[in-house]
Amino acid sequence: AQSVSQHNHHVILSEAASLELGCNYSYGGTVNLFWYVQYPGQHLQLLLKYFSGDPLVKGIKGFEAEFIKSKFSFNLRKPSVQWSDTAEYFCAVNAVNRDDKIIFGKGTRLHILP
Amino acid sequence: DAGVIQSPRHEVTEMGQEVTLRCKPISGHDYLFWYRQTMMRGLELLIYFNNNVPIDDSGMPEDRFSAKMPNASFSTLKIQPSEPRDSAVYFCASSLGFSYNEQFFGPGTRLTVL
Repeated sequence: AQSVSQHNHHVILSEAASLELGCNYSYGGTVNLFWYVQYPGQHLQLLLKYFSGDPLVKGIKGFEAEFIKSKFSFNLRKPSVQWSDTAEYFCAVNAVNRDDKIIFGKGTRLHILP
Repeated sequence: DAGVIQSPRHEVTEMGQEVTLRCKPISGHDYLFWYRQTMMRGLELLIYFNNNVPIDDSGMPEDRFSAKMPNASFSTLKIQPSEPRDSAVYFCASSLGFSYNEQFFGPGTRLTVL
């Protein structure tokens, strides 16, 4: 069965530091990839997605993610984080032509120190 | 649009009681999902519907869990009887067109079973 691994469960950074959150998936076929974010007290919302085309995807609030097919990875990056980026981040995968489900990783809690 | 609406927002009950969680998806969305979030297991898909029909309920943990979608604007998730290990945040989400299109999440119901 397909699975999603987020390597870091809890990350603490200072403001202006660079961020990279890891995400790996297990499905060998075509995939759709997502990052969702849950700010404290708010709903989960889509941060960015990759369906096809340029493997470097830009999302809201300065986030980007790069799909590296050979590494089965879709890491999330931001060059300079802000205190307001404190949130929980979820990577998710849909295995195209396999089923309609999106499988979420367990999430990474990001805490930005002011 | 009001977004996905869930009720109640918080539920505290005693072991053995029946619990019913409710969800109103975004009008016009044809996919509806129920998720459960815990610290240990992260965000798990329980069941999803397409045009009110259950498509995949493989994530439903036990027969104590059941979900219905009697019409396009309403769904319920029922736990009977409830157990302390069911304590979690339950999210409802909806999407349009494809299940892997952006999912819009509700605020969640925090369930505590004593």
